[in-house]
Amino acid sequence: EVQLVESGGGLVPPGGSLRLSCAASGFTFRSFWMSWVRQAPGKGLEWVANIIADGSEKYYVDSVKGRFTISRDNAKNSLYLEMNSLRPEDTAVYYCARQLYSSGLFPPGYWGQGILVTVSS
Amino acid sequence: ETVVTQSPATLSVSPGERATLSCRASQSISRNLAWYQQKPGQAPRLLIYDASTRVTDIPARFSGSGSGTEFTLTISSLQSEDFAVYYCQHYNKWSPGFGQGTKVEIK
Repeated sequence: EVQLVESGGGLVPPGGSLRLSCAASGFTFRSFWMSWVRQAPGKGLEWVANIIADGSEKYYVDSVKGRFTISRDNAKNSLYLEMNSLRPEDTAVYYCARQLYSSGLFPPGYWGQGILVTVSS
Repeated sequence: ETVVTQSPATLSVSPGERATLSCRASQSISRNLAWYQQKPGQAPRLLIYDASTRVTDIPARFSGSGSGTEFTLTISSLQSEDFAVYYCQHYNKWSPGFGQGTKVEIK
C-alpha cells in the first residue's frame, strides 16, 4: 500500500524557516517524480514544486522561487521541502504527492494527509 | 503559463441528477488534464487523468471528456458521497496548475 506521511509543520514567524519531510513507503520511491501541493485555509489547491525521480530536475511555482527548495533522498525514501523567508501568504496545508505511474506523464495520484504550516507573529 | 478556469463555482444538484462541470485551458494542453475530488478535511483524490481515463476503483458514473482547451467532468447520477469540491488540473513537469474548483452541493 502506498503511504506518504508528512511531518515538520508548525507555527513560524514571518521571515522564518521550516523544513517539511515526507516519508514514503509501499512503492519504489526512486522511480517516481514527486510533488508538493499546498492549500491555504478555505482556498483551492496550488502546485508548489516538482522533482523528477533522480532529483536532477526541479521546478517551482513563481511565488516560491528562490525561497523554497525541493529535494529527495532516494536511499531514505524521503522527500523534503526547505522553506525560507516565509511569508503569511505561505500559510497552508502542504501535501506531498506521488505521480500516478512511474513512466510517462501522469498527474499526482497518491497524496499524503497534509501538514499545516502557519506563518504568523 | 497555462491557466485553467473552472465553471461554475458552485453547482446545486439533487441526488440522482446529472452534474456537468467545465474546465477551460488558456491554451491547448492536448489531453493532459486530470480531475480531483476533495471532501472537507481530506486530501484530494484523483478521479480522471488524460482527460477521460478513470482511475482504478472510481465508479463509472464519473466520466471525463474533451481535449485541447475544453474539458468536462460528468457525474451521471449524483450519490450522497459525491457532494464535494472538484478540481481540474493541467499537468506537466515544469508548471502544472489547478483550476479554482467547483463545489457540488445538495439542492
